[in-house]
Amino acid sequence: QQQVKQSPQSLIVQKGGISIINCAYENTAFDYFPWYQQFPGKGPALLIAIRPDVSEKKEGRFTISFNKSAKQFSLHIMDSQPGDSATYFCAALKTSYDKVIFGPGTSLSVIP
Amino acid sequence: GAVVSQHPSRVICKSGTSVKIECRSLDFQATTMFWYRQFPKQSLMLMATSNEGSKATYEQGVEKDKFLINHASLTLSTLTVTSAHPEDSSFYICSALDGLALSYEQYFGPGTRLTVT
Repeated sequence: QQQVKQSPQSLIVQKGGISIINCAYENTAFDYFPWYQQFPGKGPALLIAIRPDVSEKKEGRFTISFNKSAKQFSLHIMDSQPGDSATYFCAALKTSYDKVIFGPGTSLSVIP
Repeated sequence: GAVVSQHPSRVICKSGTSVKIECRSLDFQATTMFWYRQFPKQSLMLMATSNEGSKATYEQGVEKDKFLINHASLTLSTLTVTSAHPEDSSFYICSALDGLALSYEQYFGPGTRLTVT
């Protein structure tokens, strides 16, 4: 059972454009939603995270939008750069339980 | 920031042999560590959760006798793949929780590429 869905599977964006990745979850007990960035051959790194009591969080060029009623959240990368080319994973967890549930991932390519 | 290391970064072994992978938290005490497996172009699959000083909790479908996990100290967890076979070839990643921080962030290691020939 896939508890966190993610789309698109792959995304090509021109340099300077906006990259948008969407995720949806099923378990309403989740209370923490991180996004991870992973480069080939490396471990994932936390990019930005949000709790469900906040509808939006921005850190630099990265913004999470959160819709609790729809059980959806999304990552927006503004002014996308070739260096942003990586695989992005949304995730969800119950903070009382620690186990992170990852989405299937989105491969982002930013072309010049 | 918190750093997690893994050793080795790459390992090639022959079928039937055992391989040990180390995961260390370098600047914090990790009361809980996690082991993941990742196949090419796929997401991370949680294999087991280990708490310092206690037995690991394995996810459904993960053979505990094949993937031995030891978390003997607050900074070190090891994963031993016993009697490895080609189907065990994968990218293994550990992560750790800072036991003293009021944070839910898992810090990930750089991963270990295992190839079984």
